[in-house]
Amino acid sequence: DGGITQSPKYLFRKEGQNVTLSCEQNLNHDAMYWYRQDPGQGLRLIYYSQIVNDFQKGDIAEGYSVSREKKESFPLTVTSAQKNPTAFYLCASSSLRGRLDPKNTEAFFGQGTRLTVV
Amino acid sequence: GQQVMQIPQYQHVQEGEDFTTYCNSSTTLSNIQWYKQRPGGHPVFLIQLVKSGEVKKQKRLTFQFGEAKKNSSLHITATQTTDVGTYFCAVPPNDMRFGAGTRLTVKP
Repeated sequence: DGGITQSPKYLFRKEGQNVTLSCEQNLNHDAMYWYRQDPGQGLRLIYYSQIVNDFQKGDIAEGYSVSREKKESFPLTVTSAQKNPTAFYLCASSSLRGRLDPKNTEAFFGQGTRLTVV
Repeated sequence: GQQVMQIPQYQHVQEGEDFTTYCNSSTTLSNIQWYKQRPGGHPVFLIQLVKSGEVKKQKRLTFQFGEAKKNSSLHITATQTTDVGTYFCAVPPNDMRFGAGTRLTVKP
């Protein structure tokens, strides 16, 4: 089945530790995104990538890092510099054909990772 | 990236009542998308609007794109408990920013 997979679903870490969230897609999408969602809140963009080995900061990149070494993978590291890391993290991917043709640019989301830092 | 303002933030309705959420941009949008996130779930794509003045329907859901392509709305007729969730608009395709969302609760 084609899709986007995030793992793990739940993650617990001690304060001060770095933690890496996995995101893999087999949809052959060029673009991948990471969002943070706090309870009852919207989706805030952390980082996004449109091509391998390149990525851009979103609105809340401080305390996070990403890499895009393969088209299929876009892992997110929550570093100890992130002051309030406990949140629901969502990864998404989409085609970039919309630059010339707006069709088929919908975002597909993973199931999300709930990170709790204690 | 392009930002959109979405209102209202919350909407509580009695089952059978109608519901509308709005997204507004200060700049002209090339297209706009709508998503639904059920409680505890992840956002799921509903529809994309591209043309000025476009209106699309999905059963009880009606989506509109303004003539100036600066605003859009989602209207649900006769809400049901299955409509509960948060509805987001999004502006593709580059950085895919989302509106703040409107959380809909439905009282049976």
